[in-house]
Amino acid sequence: GAVVSQHPSWVICKSGTSVKIECRSLDFQATTMFWYRQFPKQSLMLMATSNEGSKATYEQGVEKDKFLINHASLTLSTLTVTSAHPEDSSFYICSADRGYNEQFFGPGTRLTVL
Amino acid sequence: DAKTTQPTSMDCAEGRAANLPCNHSTISGNEYVYWYRQIHSQGPQYIIHGLKNNETNEMASLIITEDRKSSTLILPHATLRDTAVYYCIVRVETSGSRLTFGEGTQLTVNP
Repeated sequence: GAVVSQHPSWVICKSGTSVKIECRSLDFQATTMFWYRQFPKQSLMLMATSNEGSKATYEQGVEKDKFLINHASLTLSTLTVTSAHPEDSSFYICSADRGYNEQFFGPGTRLTVL
Repeated sequence: DAKTTQPTSMDCAEGRAANLPCNHSTISGNEYVYWYRQIHSQGPQYIIHGLKNNETNEMASLIITEDRKSSTLILPHATLRDTAVYYCIVRVETSGSRLTFGEGTQLTVNP
């Protein structure tokens, strides 16, 4: 299957700082990418849908000014957690839509905010 | 997207078949049944999907009832590496359509 990578795989930061997470589709182009958040022992929660060249669509309750999403190319989407706080500590997962109803997930990024 | 209901957890002996049920009684005619799994601290992995016919691939088989209100994922010979949370999702099959994850079933394969 197709490969989606995320970088970094884990990050620890101080409260108040910003953290950028990259999601790349390595062997296909993805017009649409998705960002999920997963807290311990919970399911994945969709945060936003990212479309190449346009503004992201955020789910209800997700602050667009806090979670900045940029999808500047067909192989790269970035999620920036601005002014991170301990409650933002979570497992962030992206997925990329290859078309043909196929969606592939990245390995996830573990964010810990101290 | 239609809501799905799955058991919270299941156990299976290594080498035996694992049968994971899913109820989706409100599924629409244009919605497909998808199965993904998530091994601890990893991203979800696609397993299989289908509309109304039974499907089989190298990983699993998907059995969908005639009324499409429920389905069963079958792992024919479970191994320890199959221990994971299995998610049953129904969605319209169009590019860019979202996946909505429920709570899934924690499958534990025991030696």
